[in-house]
Amino acid sequence: EVQVVESGGGLVKPGGSVRLSCATSGLTFSNAWMNWVRQAPGKGLEWVGRIKSKTDGGTADYAAPVKDRFNISRDDSKNTLYLQMNSLKTEDTAMYYCVIEMDAWGKGTTVTVSS
Amino acid sequence: EIVLTQSPATLSLSPGDRATLSCRASQSFSGSYLSWYQQKPGQAPRLLIYGASTRATGIPARFSGSGSGTDFTLTISSLQPEDFAFYYCHQEYNLPTFGQGTKLEIK
Repeated sequence: EVQVVESGGGLVKPGGSVRLSCATSGLTFSNAWMNWVRQAPGKGLEWVGRIKSKTDGGTADYAAPVKDRFNISRDDSKNTLYLQMNSLKTEDTAMYYCVIEMDAWGKGTTVTVSS
Repeated sequence: EIVLTQSPATLSLSPGDRATLSCRASQSFSGSYLSWYQQKPGQAPRLLIYGASTRATGIPARFSGSGSGTDFTLTISSLQPEDFAFYYCHQEYNLPTFGQGTKLEIK
């Protein structure tokens, strides 16, 4: 059974940074394209970014609102995905989901950006 | 960026009714890159349909997807009480995007 568990969320001040982690099991992590999707309170889903498998180049893509502020990385030896979030804004407040191949979703971790 | 526009924003139906949800794209793309998700309050989304028309594992046959180009449809043939939820379309043809969602509520 595939398992996806996000962690690292919490309360952060505007302009601050936080790193989210996503631990996975039950799959060949190194072969998977991994995504982050967020959902602001009471709003719809917003794709944040993804990182391809190393065999497909290992590159990352980002949505325009987070490009140049967020960085996605992966540690295939630990089956873990990361989201480094810098220069945080109040509009980054959301539930952040880790998603494997846009199929298997974690339960999410909440990031609140507030002074 | 491909903008996905879902309609209606809210659909009010009764159990046993047929539901038809629309997703229109700002530019044409292959249906291979179109998915549908269901989300219930307090839960993570669940993949229903991928490739525009292929049901994901464990998804009941009352859910079906169709469409191509710029117009895609999710149909629920006979609504069950557990089907009342939010539904999102999603494309991965280029940088991924989601539609704004349709709320399917009990009439």
